[in-house]
Amino acid sequence: NAGVTQTPKFQVLKTGQSMTLQCAQDMNHEYMSWYRQDPGMGLRLIHYSVGAGITDQGEVPNGYNVSRSTTEDFPLRLLSAAPSQTSVYFCASSYAPVLAGLTQYFGPGTRLLVL
Amino acid sequence: AQTVTQSQPEMSVQEAETVTLSCTYDTSESDYYLFWYKQPPSRQMILVIRQEAYKQQNATENRFSVNFQKAAKSFSLKISDSQLGDAAMYFCAYRSGDFGNEKLTFGTGTRLTIIP
Repeated sequence: NAGVTQTPKFQVLKTGQSMTLQCAQDMNHEYMSWYRQDPGMGLRLIHYSVGAGITDQGEVPNGYNVSRSTTEDFPLRLLSAAPSQTSVYFCASSYAPVLAGLTQYFGPGTRLLVL
Repeated sequence: AQTVTQSQPEMSVQEAETVTLSCTYDTSESDYYLFWYKQPPSRQMILVIRQEAYKQQNATENRFSVNFQKAAKSFSLKISDSQLGDAAMYFCAYRSGDFGNEKLTFGTGTRLTIIP
């Protein structure tokens, strides 16, 4: 059971480049989300999805796009990277919202450096 | 909007001793969930313990326990018999009890050092 997986582990981009951070889970979780972690600020929600075909914005969505075509995958796209997007990105998943209170499981994180 | 405050940026404890990490939160909701996550140097976010607000009994998980004071909006984590492997960043997090609102609001973290 792999849980939540993220690729790549580390990436360096130049300003203006685009890339996709991959996230996959094999626990049949309906809810998936992306957070970014910056020094001294904890984790902040970027985008989330309550099921395939449904996505919504979180606290800091600007500069990021998401889609959810399958239950398993929830990629995060940076269309034009900026230095302010240098951060560590975490993907998380949990069971359906009706089972409220169950734990969100986090992936190992992707460290992104934008030059 | 909910906020979570961890007022101790750093804490240290002697191995085998007990340490308490503080967390306070602000919310107008009556139904919610609170979590403590551990983040070791590997950066993996690992759930330590969770508490449902409707439960009066404090949650415990082996050496980890919480002191949940709902009226005071306080949620501290006690680690007993501290071990070297407990060294990590610890984050307190809040989740609304509303169905469909799965967002976790995190505090800024407390870095725990274990002194051998």
